[in-house]
Amino acid sequence: QMQLQESGPGLVKPSQTLTLTCSVSGDSMTSHSFYWHWIRQPAGDKLEHIGHLSTSGTFNHGFDVYNPSLRGRVVISSDMSKNQFSLRLTSVTAADTAIYYCASQKVPSAPGRTFVIWGQGIMVTVS
Amino acid sequence: AIQMTQSPSSLSASVGDSVTITCRASQAIHNGLAWFQQKPGKAPKLLIYAASILEGGVPFRFSGSGSGTDFTLTISGLQPEDFATYFCLQDYNASGNYNFGQGTRVEIK
Repeated sequence: QMQLQESGPGLVKPSQTLTLTCSVSGDSMTSHSFYWHWIRQPAGDKLEHIGHLSTSGTFNHGFDVYNPSLRGRVVISSDMSKNQFSLRLTSVTAADTAIYYCASQKVPSAPGRTFVIWGQGIMVTVS
Repeated sequence: AIQMTQSPSSLSASVGDSVTITCRASQAIHNGLAWFQQKPGKAPKLLIYAASILEGGVPFRFSGSGSGTDFTLTISGLQPEDFATYFCLQDYNASGNYNFGQGTRVEIK
């Protein structure tokens, strides 16, 4: 069973760049076709999909999809040799303070069966 | 972007009660809807996908229905472990972004 684990700084200063890594265990990122997602949740607020990266075997499709509200500040990338994927968010502000989750989706998948496996989440504060 | 309006934002119920939560999409999403349960300090857990299909291991007291723009999650016979927050998610427009509902907190009366 695949497991995901986020890592990165818990505190970032305004205007700096936030980089988070999601480590994949229990399966290889190259074993199937996947979407690799980042999702965040500000305190007391609803979940927000940040974006996802599409891979197929060892091939990164390059079809990254990002939330329009973050487009231009966010990049999701993968390092399949390390079984990891990462989130890079530039020019952070207090509004980026949230719990950040990574999630995986094996594709093709049934409608709605998108975020099946989640990491435990990592709290990031911008201050 | 497709917006999801979830209601109510919170509800109080007793063990054994049945509760219904609704989500309305701003445009038709066929059956591209999922329901999640989230407990404090935990990641969300997928309960239902394709509007009405129960994810493996989820108790049968959870059920989903709807198609198009209007969807419901019903919990028949609340158990103590069901007190949590529930979110809907649309993934019909997967070329854009995925949108969650605002969440419904189910509290003990």
